[in-house]
Amino acid sequence: KAGVTQTPRYLIKTRGQQVTLSCSPISGHRSVSWYQQTPGQGLQFLFEYFSETQRNKGNFPGRFSGRQFSNSRSEMNVSTLELGDSALYLCASSPTGETGELFFGEGSRLTVL
Amino acid sequence: GEDVEQSLFLSVREGDSSVINCTYTDSSSTYLYWYKQEPGAGLQLLTYIFSNMDMKQDQRLTVLLNKKDKHLSLRIADTQTGDSAIYFCAENNQAGTALIFGKGTTLSVSS
Repeated sequence: KAGVTQTPRYLIKTRGQQVTLSCSPISGHRSVSWYQQTPGQGLQFLFEYFSETQRNKGNFPGRFSGRQFSNSRSEMNVSTLELGDSALYLCASSPTGETGELFFGEGSRLTVL
Repeated sequence: GEDVEQSLFLSVREGDSSVINCTYTDSSSTYLYWYKQEPGAGLQLLTYIFSNMDMKQDQRLTVLLNKKDKHLSLRIADTQTGDSAIYFCAENNQAGTALIFGKGTTLSVSS
């Protein structure tokens, strides 16, 4: 079974630009969560989607948004990028999202210059 | 609020046991988790323990839970150089819809 796939793996943007990251969950998994990982703040929850609906959102500004498609693939978007948005963005999938047993992708490393 | 605390670094010699400690705040967590992150990779679930258990053993891994003190530990027996990684303790948030992670403990194993 293929794992969680995130694209792109690495990207460099400049302040003020916007970025879209993609996540393909494990086949059959309907829940997709996104986490931001930085050296200072560690892993922080962004949002979780199940069957195209956002069920939960972390404490991030409105510049961070996401969506999920009918095939469970998910995208997250960050608009008006700031230097502090530089991070590893991790996507995780699970069958229902009702437990903490998450399957993580390798992440998308975003650098904002 | 919800918080998970871990020590940041642990250094051991190959063949020794490693013990990684964690404290958490939300006593309503049903499960507590240990994840491992190797360099350049995402997180991998190592093991978890149900909150009404005191101990869980899985091959070289032993998880101990002291619910009264809200303390969780992960013991790795016969630590190998391949165990070098960052280990994260995690609990569910109060809504049960997301994981709250500690900052991670970097385990360094020397031969």
